[in-house]
Amino acid sequence: EPEVTQTPSHQVTQMGQEVILRCVPISNHLYFYWYRQILGQKVEFLVSFYNNEISEKSEIFDDQFSVERPDGSNFTLKIRSTKLEDSAMYFCASGARTTGTGELFFGEGSRLTVL
Amino acid sequence: ILNVEQSPQSLHVQEGDSTNFTCSFPSSNFYALHWYRWETAKSPEALFVMTLNGDEKKKGRISATLNTKEGYSYLYIKGSQPEDSATYLCAPNQAGTALIFGKGTTLSVSS
Repeated sequence: EPEVTQTPSHQVTQMGQEVILRCVPISNHLYFYWYRQILGQKVEFLVSFYNNEISEKSEIFDDQFSVERPDGSNFTLKIRSTKLEDSAMYFCASGARTTGTGELFFGEGSRLTVL
Repeated sequence: ILNVEQSPQSLHVQEGDSTNFTCSFPSSNFYALHWYRWETAKSPEALFVMTLNGDEKKKGRISATLNTKEGYSYLYIKGSQPEDSATYLCAPNQAGTALIFGKGTTLSVSS
């Protein structure tokens, strides 16, 4: 069964360092998302991506964050200069249709620890 | 910011018990309501996507209802089993916006 894959599963980094989290969505999906969950808190929306551009972003997704789909398969989230409060589990999700009618398929997450 | 409330936050039931949880959301600009099941150390998995007022969906022992006029959805589990232990997330979708998740209801089923 097709699945969303994420790498790395866990990354430890120093504050101020750049981090790239990678996702391979399901191949025929068109809509891509990043969510995160800080330990003990709810899953928070970061950004949605469609047709090679950001379609929506939350207030969390500031200038330190960027996304791209460089080669038609990978979907990456970059954090330019990590802060302690960026420590969280980051989930990638993809969908064949908009969330108005279709479900999201999630990866297993990348745990980011910022020291 | 879309306000999504789920209750209870957690509950513990015995195997065989039936249970239900609530998701409350703003009824304005409603487009769809998603339910996801999230087991520890795994990824959230879609249970239902519901769009119509009065909609009722069923998957095995799990079912859900939707009231878009008053802004709530119930998730029911009949005859809970230990493998039902998970966090159940709801997420409404307003037209043109991303899914915003509630905090979830964490269910623990003892055998």
